[in-house]
Amino acid sequence: EPEVTQTPSHQVTQMGQEVILRCVPISNHLYFYWYRQILGQKVEFLVSFYNNEISEKSEIFDDQFSVERPDGSNFTLKIRSTKLEDSAMYFCASMGGGEKLFFGSGTQLSVL
Amino acid sequence: GEDVEQSLFLSVREGDSSVINCTYTDSSSTYLYWYKQEPGAGLQLLTYIFSNMDMKQDQRLTVLLNKKDKHLSLRIADTQTGDSAIYFCAESPGGYQKVTFGIGTKLQVIP
Repeated sequence: EPEVTQTPSHQVTQMGQEVILRCVPISNHLYFYWYRQILGQKVEFLVSFYNNEISEKSEIFDDQFSVERPDGSNFTLKIRSTKLEDSAMYFCASMGGGEKLFFGSGTQLSVL
Repeated sequence: GEDVEQSLFLSVREGDSSVINCTYTDSSSTYLYWYKQEPGAGLQLLTYIFSNMDMKQDQRLTVLLNKKDKHLSLRIADTQTGDSAIYFCAESPGGYQKVTFGIGTKLQVIP
């Protein structure tokens, strides 16, 4: 069964450093998403992406965040200058048929 | 804005039925979902229901939707220890718009 893959599974970084989280969505899907889950809190929507542009973003997704589809398979989330409060599990997801959202296993980001 | 609420914890004995409840606020919700998260894993789509349905059954899983009360439930029949996980209720207006999640209900199955 096709799946969304994310790398790395764990990322540790120093506060103020840039991180790039990588995702390979399901190959025939056209809509891509990033969500995050801070420990003990809800899974929160960050951004959706379609046709090489952002289609929706939350208030969490400020100027420190950016997304990119650098080639035909990868979808990345960049955090320019990480803060302690960015520590969370980041999930990539993709949607093909308009109703089923498929998630990757997540990247656990720890900002020290 | 949209909000999805669910209880934090449910404990059941192996072989019993589990019922996980959820309420949501967005009247434009078109799709209601149940996702399962096992430790260290991602969110696995278990089942979903379209808002014009009031019930959907899929093997041991039964989803009930009361659209008037904005109440969704997931019943797991003959609960097994492998069902121990966190179950997330979620909703979406559809059309590739964002999916809004509840905080998740941790299901503990006692052997």
